[in-house]
Amino acid sequence: KNEVEQSPQNLTAQEGEFITINCSYSVGISALHWLQQHPGGGIVSLFMLSSGKKKHGRLIATINIQEKHSSLHITASHPRDSAVYICAVNSNSGYALNFGKGTSLLVTP
Amino acid sequence: DAGVIQSPRHEVTEMGQEVTLRCKPISGHNSLFWYRQTMMRGLELLIYFNNNVPIDDSGMPEDRFSAKMPNASFSTLKIQPSEPRDSAVYFCASSLLAGFSNEQFFGPGTRLTVL
Repeated sequence: KNEVEQSPQNLTAQEGEFITINCSYSVGISALHWLQQHPGGGIVSLFMLSSGKKKHGRLIATINIQEKHSSLHITASHPRDSAVYICAVNSNSGYALNFGKGTSLLVTP
Repeated sequence: DAGVIQSPRHEVTEMGQEVTLRCKPISGHNSLFWYRQTMMRGLELLIYFNNNVPIDDSGMPEDRFSAKMPNASFSTLKIQPSEPRDSAVYFCASSLLAGFSNEQFFGPGTRLTVL
């Protein structure tokens, strides 16, 4: 069983909709990351967080350490948000990232 | 800064051939990670270096894979001999480590196809 589980696996939304992607993990962590991978393949770090909430533009990431759960929210979604969103964690025992399988998001006009 | 640089961007080779992937991390970063991405398994760590020293190579599939980091600005991942199941996108990432948390900066990846 993967240590990091994401849901949903695939998501289609209309432009303007509010989007939520969920991530659950089973190990103790020092940090959780949200990454974005565009169709061209490049991977960009969106957030790194260990508690609370972070906001960047239309993106908001939250984490609940007690429940071992994080969410990524996109407000006023736009077709350019279409990408794969990947949750990853730094476990307490190492620097390397453990990745979820990703959520493929398609935002239609 | 140019970001993490990987070469080649695409590689097509025949089974049995040696393949060398290259990575230049962001200047000043002290850690470098090699990841592999496949449709079936997603992103997986192969190996990571801290201050040019391999720290964890438990993700390296087998002896056919080897990685080196001769200096702070260069790393290679070599597969010899290559097999079709090695076909994947290989990402290099670098980071400035602080504690156990680190924001990682990814290169564009090398798409490897082994025929």
